[in-house]
Amino acid sequence: DTAVSQTPKYLVTQMGNDKSIKCEQNLGHDTMYWYKQDSKKFLKIMFSYNNKELIINETVPNRFSPKSPDKAHLNLHINSLELGDSAVYFCASSQEGSGYGYTFGSGTRLTVV
Amino acid sequence: QKEVEQDPGPLSVPEGAIVSLNCTYSNSAFQYFMWYRQYSRKGPELLMYTYSSGNKEDGRFTAQVDKSSKYISLFIRDSQPSDSATYLCAMVTAGNKLTFGGGTRVLVKP
Repeated sequence: DTAVSQTPKYLVTQMGNDKSIKCEQNLGHDTMYWYKQDSKKFLKIMFSYNNKELIINETVPNRFSPKSPDKAHLNLHINSLELGDSAVYFCASSQEGSGYGYTFGSGTRLTVV
Repeated sequence: QKEVEQDPGPLSVPEGAIVSLNCTYSNSAFQYFMWYRQYSRKGPELLMYTYSSGNKEDGRFTAQVDKSSKYISLFIRDSQPSDSATYLCAMVTAGNKLTFGGGTRVLVKP
């Protein structure tokens, strides 16, 4: 049973397209995150949601819009994709107050051509 | 300057050697300190965590935190080829925001 699952694993698309990445967790955690990992392996937080409420919204272009229909799901929609959006996007979840219990998904490798 | 600095490596060691990794940080608000391991094309997985200065041991892994120097370390004893991965330090402030170092790539050669 996968704890944090993301779909798709790979996504190749053309510039200007709109795409979505889905994430689901079955750990019962109340907080979910999107992280972006660039080509140099640097992981940077983009968004976090706690019980469907947006908590963290880092400096991310507004072409990126997260949506959390319930606390087990956090999707990421990206409009008008650009070459610089190519990266690996990781979803993660944790229980508020745990301080350390982040569980990551296996990532979605997005390539914009 | 990044909040968390980590040497990118690669760090190449022979099997059985001790691997020594470290990170420095600038934000005194960091409360929890973690080490994650990331294999190629996989998500990071939690190895060790601590919230106070001092040492914490778990099998072949020892994590050290020195809050006065804003410095954390991870030691891997009796390294194995299966330890070859990227190791990321990470730190948490209030609000559960996890800030990562850039990762150190480790290669353990048989």
